[in-house]
Amino acid sequence: QKEVEQNSGPLSVPEGAIASLNCTYSDRGSQSFFWYRQYSGKSPELIMFIYSNGDKEDGRFTAQLNKASQYVSLLIRDSQPSDSATYLCAVNAGGFKTIFGAGTRLFVKA
Amino acid sequence: AAGVIQSPRHLIKEKRETATLKCYPIPRHDTVYWYQQGPGQDPQFLISFYEKMQSDKGSIPDRFSAQQFSDYHSELNMSSLELGDSALYFCASSPPAGTHNEQFFGPGTRLTVL
Repeated sequence: QKEVEQNSGPLSVPEGAIASLNCTYSDRGSQSFFWYRQYSGKSPELIMFIYSNGDKEDGRFTAQLNKASQYVSLLIRDSQPSDSATYLCAVNAGGFKTIFGAGTRLFVKA
Repeated sequence: AAGVIQSPRHLIKEKRETATLKCYPIPRHDTVYWYQQGPGQDPQFLISFYEKMQSDKGSIPDRFSAQQFSDYHSELNMSSLELGDSALYFCASSPPAGTHNEQFFGPGTRLTVL
């Protein structure tokens, strides 16, 4: 079992819909959780991070964390074609090592 | 805002040659991370440095070494290159301790080994 698991997708949603991306992790000691967006051939770009249970909203993005279920998600409201990318979930269990999931490919259809 | 700088952006080497990749973190960031990303794969953590000392080690081959210098820039040295080393190499930096280790990535160096 990988330490950070994501559905590889592709996840396809119509423009204007809500895209829901999910991630589970195995280390119960994990403390910080990150969502990165990566366009093909480009570097990962930090979208949000969350470290407390509950929701955290930033513009069209909402991160949700449930430590009891070891689950973190990212909701993208009013999805745009420019949101089409791979979304990487990353988890830090303290210290300097952050583990990335394999990413979910999102396609937003115009 | 200043970002992480990596050089070179592209590098072509022959098998068994050596390569040096450079990373300049965001100003006032004291931690640097190196990742390797193959086609269609997630970034694999190689090594990190905090305050010029190695802070963590991932799947870095013994043929590779890295260091962080007094100005906080870092270099990844790769020797006896193999075809399988062809990948994107990202450097990331994070701000001083007390934050949650959010990492900001550089544009990457694309290494091709022929």
